[in-house]
Amino acid sequence: EVQLVESGGGLVQPGRSLRLSCAASGFTFDDYAMHWVRQAPGKGLEWVSGINWNSGSIGYADSVKGRFTISRDNAKNSLYLQMNSLRAEDTALYFCAKALIVVDHYGMGVWGQGTTVTVSS
Amino acid sequence: QSVLTQPPSASGTPGQGVTISCSGSSSNIGSNFVYWYQQLPGTAPKLLIYRNNQRPAGVPDRFSGSKSGTSASLAISGLRSEDEADYYCAAWDDSLSGVVFGGGTKLTVL
Repeated sequence: EVQLVESGGGLVQPGRSLRLSCAASGFTFDDYAMHWVRQAPGKGLEWVSGINWNSGSIGYADSVKGRFTISRDNAKNSLYLQMNSLRAEDTALYFCAKALIVVDHYGMGVWGQGTTVTVSS
Repeated sequence: QSVLTQPPSASGTPGQGVTISCSGSSSNIGSNFVYWYQQLPGTAPKLLIYRNNQRPAGVPDRFSGSKSGTSASLAISGLRSEDEADYYCAAWDDSLSGVVFGGGTKLTVL
């Protein structure tokens, strides 16, 4: 069974850092692009960042560029999101998502259940 | 303000059909594939349509997608109560170099 399990969320003060992890199983992790997508309470979906299979292509939303860093460890079947200089507006449920097919990076075919990040003093 | 524009709400009665629109621009829908997601209350999103009109395995053929120019649509036929959910369109945006989502459409099955 294909599965994505996020962890690392929590309550953090503005300006501090947090590192999210996503453990993947049930598929050949290093074949697929991966993404982080977030959803603020009561709001819609917002793409945060994406990374291709070998980390050779990485992208960020303007709202997090320069503050967040996506990475992956194919040997550990894991995806990460390092979040620095956190702001109140970063408060959201953060989902890890896998591309549906190898040749299409942007269709997110499998999603984790998410991990909640709350930025507050 | 989302880059892709969707109506905030839509509704229909069981058995009816409904269409949800998604409007973009030449830098996103006009030049890239469109994706549609369904998010049931309290759950993670689910991919319904990829590459404009393709259905992943397990998605009923009651769901169909289309694209014309800088707009796209999701059509749902034979509405069921379990279709009540939020629906989002998405596409890659060449100008922003990122994935953009619509603001979402809340579908109510009356």
